[in-house]
Amino acid sequence: GDSVTQMEGPVTLSEEAFLTINCTYTATGYPSLFWYVQYPGEGLQLLLKATKADDKGSNKGFEATYRKETTSFHLEKGSVQVSDSAVYFCALGDNAGNMLTFGGGTRLMVKP
Amino acid sequence: NAGVMQNPRHLVRRRGQEARLRCSPMKGHSHVYWYRQLPEEGLKFMVYLQKENIIDESGMPKERFSAEFPKEGPSILRIQQVVRGDSAAYFCASSQSNSPLHFGNGTRLTVT
Repeated sequence: GDSVTQMEGPVTLSEEAFLTINCTYTATGYPSLFWYVQYPGEGLQLLLKATKADDKGSNKGFEATYRKETTSFHLEKGSVQVSDSAVYFCALGDNAGNMLTFGGGTRLMVKP
Repeated sequence: NAGVMQNPRHLVRRRGQEARLRCSPMKGHSHVYWYRQLPEEGLKFMVYLQKENIIDESGMPKERFSAEFPKEGPSILRIQQVVRGDSAAYFCASSQSNSPLHFGNGTRLTVT
């Protein structure tokens, strides 16, 4: 079946550091890929998505590129802020983002 | 436009009691999904419902768990005879056809 693997956290960075959170997937067919963010005490919010190979999703300074050859969708941000502290989930699903399969989540802590 | 509303936010039950979790989807959304998040883990799909129909319940435990989405009123996730292993955060998400999921803030169930 489909699965998503993320790097384990927590990831602790200083403000303005470069962020990479690795995500790889296994799936039949051609899924869409998503990153969700969960702030403390809240539900998940869609951060960005990519629907086909070589697409780049981007939002709020975050970006991720759908790499079919390496089955990866790594999340990056050039300069993190304290307010980016949250748990980040990589997911795959259909194009509409329904029936999602999530990775285990990666906690990011940004220190001032 | 109110988001996905879940209540209660926190629910404490003793072993053997019943837990009822409610979810009101976003206005205009007719698709509801329930996910469970065990401590320090990712979200696991439980069930997908449309009005008065269960579309996919492949992630639901075979016993003690049930879900409904009646024609009128919220979707209900019911857990009978709760056990400690049921302690988790339960998230509801809603969507309209071919639109991304919108998540609620979750219900945190604690079984003592």
